[in-house]
Amino acid sequence: DAGVIQSPRHEVTEMGQEVTLRCKPISGHNSLFWYRQTMMRGLELLIYFNNNVPIDDSGMPEDRFSAKMPNASFSTLKIQPSEPRDSAVYFCASSLEGPGGELFFGEGSRLTVL
Amino acid sequence: GQQLNQSPQSMFIQEGEDVSMNCTSSSIFNTWLWYKQDPGEGPVLLIALYKAGELTSNGRLTAQFGITRKDSFLNISASIPSDVGIYFCAGQIFPDKLIFGTGTRLQVFP
Repeated sequence: DAGVIQSPRHEVTEMGQEVTLRCKPISGHNSLFWYRQTMMRGLELLIYFNNNVPIDDSGMPEDRFSAKMPNASFSTLKIQPSEPRDSAVYFCASSLEGPGGELFFGEGSRLTVL
Repeated sequence: GQQLNQSPQSMFIQEGEDVSMNCTSSSIFNTWLWYKQDPGEGPVLLIALYKAGELTSNGRLTAQFGITRKDSFLNISASIPSDVGIYFCAGQIFPDKLIFGTGTRLQVFP
């Protein structure tokens, strides 16, 4: 069975550019999570969706970040405009049982903003 | 906000040694989870604990849910090179989101 699929795996961009990260959750999972991982702050939850509806976006750093889930099999995390401090690994995870269930993580998207 | 402190931050051990790490919180949780992250990969669930005092094993891994509900421990026996990675604890009070710990980086030398 396919796990959580993220793209791109690596992205290098210049400050000010728009970045779009993509995620396909595990089929049948009803919750999707976006995390950011940095050395300084560890794993931070940015936003999570339940049945395609955003439930908690309190972790989204600022207005430059936005996330959508147009259907049960696809989500995007967009950063516009990007800044060097956005450099991190962004993980998407899905679960069958909401925030309390086992999270299945993708392999991550490593973003470098120059 | 809530924070989970993991210790030690990093460990450098010889293959065959046992490993112990722990996670503490200022708040109580009703679920504790332990994840492992291999280099270049996403975290993978190792063990889930749902009851205070619970002791659960998964192969060479053993984890315990502290009686106070504010801490958890993970032990790895007879470490092997593939145990290398970052180990994260995570706590939750359902239905709230998981809070992840700061991670323990494990290096195993042959």
